[in-house]
Formats: sequence, structure tokens, C-alpha cells
Amino acid sequence: QVQLVESGGGVVQPGRSLRLSCAASGFTFRDFAMHWVRQAPGKGLEWVAVISYDGSHKYYADSVQGRFTISRDNSKNTLYLQMDSLRADDTAVYYCVREEYKCVYFDYWGRGTLVTVSS
Amino acid sequence: QSALTQPASVSGSPGQSITISCTGTSSDVGGYHYVSWYQQYPGKAPKLMIYDVSNRPSGVSNRFSGSKSGNTASLTISGLQAEDEADYYCSSYTSSSTRVFGGGTKLTVL
Repeated sequence: QVQLVESGGGVVQPGRSLRLSCAASGFTFRDFAMHWVRQAPGKGLEWVAVISYDGSHKYYADSVQGRFTISRDNSKNTLYLQMDSLRADDTAVYYCVREEYKCVYFDYWGRGTLVTVSS
Repeated sequence: QSALTQPASVSGSPGQSITISCTGTSSDVGGYHYVSWYQQYPGKAPKLMIYDVSNRPSGVSNRFSGSKSGNTASLTISGLQAEDEADYYCSSYTSSSTRVFGGGTKLTVL
């Protein structure tokens, strides 16, 4: 069965960096585009970034462009999100999300990892 | 990248039908057949309910249906049940190859 397990969340000071990881299993990871979606406490979903199946294409939300970097290691079945220059409004649960094969919707979600940016 | 517009809340009685709207622009909802809808319970990850405007994944009740007209997509839930009480989000592909979500709608079953 498809499993997406995020890790790396925690409390970090404003301006610092954090790297999230997402371990994928139960499917051929290298065939699927992957996303990060976040949800601030008590707020709605916000799309963050997408990476193509081979890592050749990456797109970001305006709110994180230039600060966050999405990447993947298909040999390790792992998705990453490098978050730099963190701000208080980056505080959220970050979900690792699979995009259905050659489609444009999210079919599997991880449980999320909480990132809290606070001094 | 402005969020799609959804009503903050809707409500209905058991057995009734409700519709949640999702309004975007010609650069997202209106320009593509790639609108999807997600159900989220408190503290849980979202679940796909509708994809490509009107398609239902296997296992999703046929009480859920989707449609689109111009820049506005809609999710209709018929025969409302207590278990349908949750938050609902629409999402669309955009002309920038990004994705965008709606602000979310809280459905209350009276």
C-alpha cells in the first residue's frame, strides 16, 4: 500500500533553515510527480511546490519562491523540502503529497509534519 | 497565485442536498478541466473526492458530484449524512504549472 511518511519538522527560529523529508513506499516513486502542501494552524490548505517525476521541473508558490527548494532522490525513494529564511507565517503542518500518474490531482497524502517558526 | 474563492461555510439537514462553489479565473478553473475536491476531517489528511471536475475515485459515494461552468466549479453532496460534516477544499491546475487551493468550506450537518 502507498505510504508517505514525513519527518524533519520541529521548532526553529525566524531566519533559520530546516529540511523536511518524505519517505515513500508501496509504489514506483520515480514514476510520480510529488508535491508539498501546507496548512497553518486553523487555516486552509496552501500548495507549496511540485517536482516532476525525474526532478527536471520544479514550481513554487509565490510565498516560498526563492526561499524553499524542493528536490528528490529516486534512488532513496525520498522527497525533500529545504526551507531557508523561515518566517513566522511558514508555521504549518507540511504534507507530502503524490500526484496521480500523468494526472493533475493529489491521490495520496502523508500525515504531515509540524513546523513551528518562533523565537 | 490568489486562492480560489469558496464560501466559508454551508449547512444542510440530513437528506438534503448542498452545493459548494469554487470560483477562480480563466488562468485556473476556467482554463482547464483539472479541478479536484478534497474532504478533510479535523486533524486528518485530506481525501480526494472528485477529480477532473466531475470524476469520482473508486470508493467515493455517488452522493458526491462535481461540475463546472466558466470560472466556477461546484461540488454537490446529495442525501446529506452526518458523516459528511467536514471541511471541503477545491484545487485547480494553473497556467503557471502551479496548483492553487480554495480557502475551504466548513460543512455543517444540522
